[in-house]
Amino acid sequence: QVQLQESGPGLVKPSETLSLTCTVSAGSINSYYWNWVRQPPGKGLEWIGYVHHSGSANYNPSLKSRVTMSVDTPKNRFSLNLRSVTTADTAVYYCAKWHESWNAYDCWGQGILVTVSS
Amino acid sequence: EIVLTQSPGTLSLSPGERATLSCRASQSVSSSHLTWYQQKPGQAPRLLIYGASSRATGTPDRFSGTGSGTDFTLTISGLEPEDVAVYYCQQYSSLPLTFGGGTKVEIK
Repeated sequence: QVQLQESGPGLVKPSETLSLTCTVSAGSINSYYWNWVRQPPGKGLEWIGYVHHSGSANYNPSLKSRVTMSVDTPKNRFSLNLRSVTTADTAVYYCAKWHESWNAYDCWGQGILVTVSS
Repeated sequence: EIVLTQSPGTLSLSPGERATLSCRASQSVSSSHLTWYQQKPGQAPRLLIYGASSRATGTPDRFSGTGSGTDFTLTISGLEPEDVAVYYCQQYSSLPLTFGGGTKVEIK
């Protein structure tokens, strides 16, 4: 059973770049689509985008101009960069594995709270 | 973008009662692309139902999903205290992938 673990700073200043990493264990990153989903405190879920193990990516149009995702195959991890953050980007950020046959997320990280504040 | 509207916002029921949660899409969604998740307080979401009606591994059979087109339903046939959670529907018929706003299920 694949396990996911998010890591990165819990506090980012406005206008700076939010950078998170998701480490994949008990499985290989050389398959599947790897996703980021976020959840502002007390609110619902928002899809940020996905990156394929090949490196191809697709982002939510609402964030596309500020987002970059990448895969680090040797280290079995993938990353999220979100530029020019504001307080509206304060959220719990989840990484998640997409199950292609089920069209669903079958594995989630525990989530990491990132606060944007000066 | 396909907008998913979930109702009611909050459902408060007694143990053993039947819970009916609705997810309505702004345009038609393929049944194979409609998913339900359960999120308990302080936890990540957990896959509950995929393909509109298929239970994920570990999902109790009191949970069932039905629907097609623009109207989908998640039913909990007999509410248990451990079912207290927020339930989200999600679609992947077209990008961007979207989630509904969630239905919070409480125990009276």
